[in-house]
Amino acid sequence: NAGVTQTPKFQVLKTGQSMTLQCAQDMNHNSMYWYRQDPGMGLRLIYYSASEGTTDKGEVPNGYNVSRLNKREFSLRLESAAPSQTSVYFCASSERGLAGATDTQYFGPGTRLTVL
Amino acid sequence: KNEVEQSPQNLTAQEGEFITINCSYSVGISALHWLQQHPGGGIVSLFMLSSGKKKHGRLIATINIQEKHSSLHITASHPRDSAVYICAVPGGGADGLTFGKGTHLIIQP
Repeated sequence: NAGVTQTPKFQVLKTGQSMTLQCAQDMNHNSMYWYRQDPGMGLRLIYYSASEGTTDKGEVPNGYNVSRLNKREFSLRLESAAPSQTSVYFCASSERGLAGATDTQYFGPGTRLTVL
Repeated sequence: KNEVEQSPQNLTAQEGEFITINCSYSVGISALHWLQQHPGGGIVSLFMLSSGKKKHGRLIATINIQEKHSSLHITASHPRDSAVYICAVPGGGADGLTFGKGTHLIIQP
């Protein structure tokens, strides 16, 4: 099992460009999450999905959209990238749907995004 | 929103020393997570606990629900334990986690 995979690993964008970060898990988990990690800030939740077809905002959703394409895949889209979105992005999954925050979370390797 | 504080922020110790990292939070919780972030950036879950103590190898995690406090201990520390250790609790949005800023641990040989 690959666990949680993310693509790409690295990306450089210019201000205003758009891109989609891809995430997939092969553990048949119900919940999936997108976090961003910034120096001195700790990880922060952007969006999460408790089941296929449902998504909810987290702590810092502005400037992002998400799609839970199926049970395996959860993508994060930046429609018009800004320098403030320079960060490392982690996707994670957990087994349960609701109350997934009380389950072990499995993290992808991260995507390092720079917006110039 | 739950506030999570970790201490110390940075810790350098010699190989073999007993290590303690602390985590406190502001709102009652049902579970607390300890995670490890490797120097290469990958994040793995070490423990999830809701009461008492858990042990895995040289790692021990304890939690005191009444005092809203948890500790992560490493016995017989080794340079390969060098990493960032992160405490997290439910509350980052209805179903996500709120994370501490992490403790950067360096074990010198």
